[in-house]
Amino acid sequence: AQTVTQSQPEMSVQEAETVTLSCTYDTSESDYYLFWYKQPPSRQMILVIRQEAYKQQNATENRFSVNFQKAAKSFSLKISDSQLGDAAMYFCAYRSEWGGSEKLVFGKGTKLTVNP
Amino acid sequence: DTGVSQNPRHKITKRGQNVTFRCDPISEHNRLYWYRQTLGQGPEFLTYFQNEAQLEKSRLLSDRFSAERPKGSFSTLEIQRTEQGDSAMYLCASSLNTGGWLVENTEAFFGQGTRLTVV
Repeated sequence: AQTVTQSQPEMSVQEAETVTLSCTYDTSESDYYLFWYKQPPSRQMILVIRQEAYKQQNATENRFSVNFQKAAKSFSLKISDSQLGDAAMYFCAYRSEWGGSEKLVFGKGTKLTVNP
Repeated sequence: DTGVSQNPRHKITKRGQNVTFRCDPISEHNRLYWYRQTLGQGPEFLTYFQNEAQLEKSRLLSDRFSAERPKGSFSTLEIQRTEQGDSAMYLCASSLNTGGWLVENTEAFFGQGTRLTVV
C-alpha cells in the first residue's frame, strides 16, 4: 500500500518570503500522480498543483512550484512571495495511475502560518 | 455550477443514534468519493461511486456505514449506531472520468465537509 509522509506538522513564513513544505511517499509503482491540496479553515480543499510521475519537469503554477525527486520519492512544495491568503493546511497526496478508483492517499498535512 | 455541496455542515448526535449525510456533486461528474478526516490527520478514503455503482469500499467502512448514490447524482452516507470514534469531518469529492488518461480530466473537487460530533 502507498503511504505519504509530511514530516512538518507546522510551518511559518513571513509575508513575501519563500517557504518549502516537505513530502515523501512510498510506492512500488512507476506510474502515478502527486498533488498538493490547500485546505483553508472551514473551507473546502482545493487543488494547488499536480505532478505526473512520468514528467521530469517540475510543475509550476504561478507562485507555487514543486521539486519532484522520483528516485528519492520526494515531492516538496515551494511557495514564493507568500501572501496572507496562503495560510492553510497543506496536504500532499498520491494517486495511482492504475486500479480504476483514482482515490487519493493523503499525508497528515502541514499547517502553514503566514506572518504579516 | 456551485461546486460540491454537502449537508448538513455540522451534526451533533448522541452515541447510538443514526445519522445521514448528503453530498451533491458537480452536476456532470460521474465519480463521487467519500473521505473521512479526523483531527490532525489527512483525509482517508472510504468509498467511491461511478455513476450509481459503488465500486470500491475501504476497510475503514465498517458494517455500520452505508453509502448510496441511487440515480447517479447525489449520494448519502449513513452511519448507524454512532460511536464516539465516528466523530470526524466527512468529505465528499466528485470528478469527471471520461476514460481518457489525462490527469487534468479527472481532477477531484471537494465539498466543505460535514463535521460530525458524537457525544
